[in-house]
Amino acid sequence: GAVVSQHPSWVICKSGTSVKIECRSLDFQATTMFWYRQFPKQSLMLMATSNEGSKATYEQGVEKDKFLINHASLTLSTLTVTSAHPEDSSFYICSARGLAPGETQYFGPGTRLLVL
Amino acid sequence: GEDVEQSLFLSVREGDSSVINCTYTDSSSTYLYWYKQEPGAGLQLLTYIFSNMDMKQDQRLTVLLNKKDKHLSLRIADTQTGDSAIYFCAVPFSGGYNKLIFGAGTRLAVHP
Repeated sequence: GAVVSQHPSWVICKSGTSVKIECRSLDFQATTMFWYRQFPKQSLMLMATSNEGSKATYEQGVEKDKFLINHASLTLSTLTVTSAHPEDSSFYICSARGLAPGETQYFGPGTRLLVL
Repeated sequence: GEDVEQSLFLSVREGDSSVINCTYTDSSSTYLYWYKQEPGAGLQLLTYIFSNMDMKQDQRLTVLLNKKDKHLSLRIADTQTGDSAIYFCAVPFSGGYNKLIFGAGTRLAVHP
C-alpha cells in the first residue's frame, strides 16, 4: 500500500514553455501533498504544501506564479512550471500524506525536468 | 529554525554493519523518519520511530533515538551491495506536522 506515482518521469522542453507534472496517490486518500525540488547531490528542498480544495502554501523564496500547484482531489495534485527556463531544470519529487500511522509522507518516483 | 545534520559519506565492507547518524535541533518532534534514495529515484520510507521510544528494530534495520542528545541513528546489519544509496533523516518541522526537514543525506557505499 501507500503508492504514489508521478507523471511524466522525465521531460525535456524548450525555454518559455510550460510543463505540468502530476502526482497521484494510488491506494490512499492524501489529505496533504508536498512538492520538493532536488538539485544534484543535494537534499530535498520543500517548495510548497497543498491541501485538497485549498490554495497551496509556498515556502519562502518560491514563486507561486512560477510554480502553480493545484490539488484538485484527494488523490491528485499537479505542479505546473510556467515559462520554464534552464535554471528550472531539476528533479521534482512529490509526496503525499494520508492518515497512516506516523503521519508518514510517501514519495513519488520523481520527475526530471530539463529545459533547453 | 529546525536543523538536521548528517555526515555526508559512509563506506563499509559487504557483510559489515553500517551506522548512519543524524542530529536535530527541535525537541518537540513526535515522529522521526529514515528514507532511502537510490540513484534517479524518489524516496522510499525505510522506517520511523515515535519519540517516546528509544529503539525500534525491523529485520536488518535498527533505529536508536537519544532524545536528550537529539541524536538519531540507523544501523543496517549485514550490509549488502543493494543497500548502497543515499539515506535521509527527516524530522517534522516544529511549527506544524505538515513539513519535514531533511538532512543533507548520507551516501552509503558498500564494497566487496
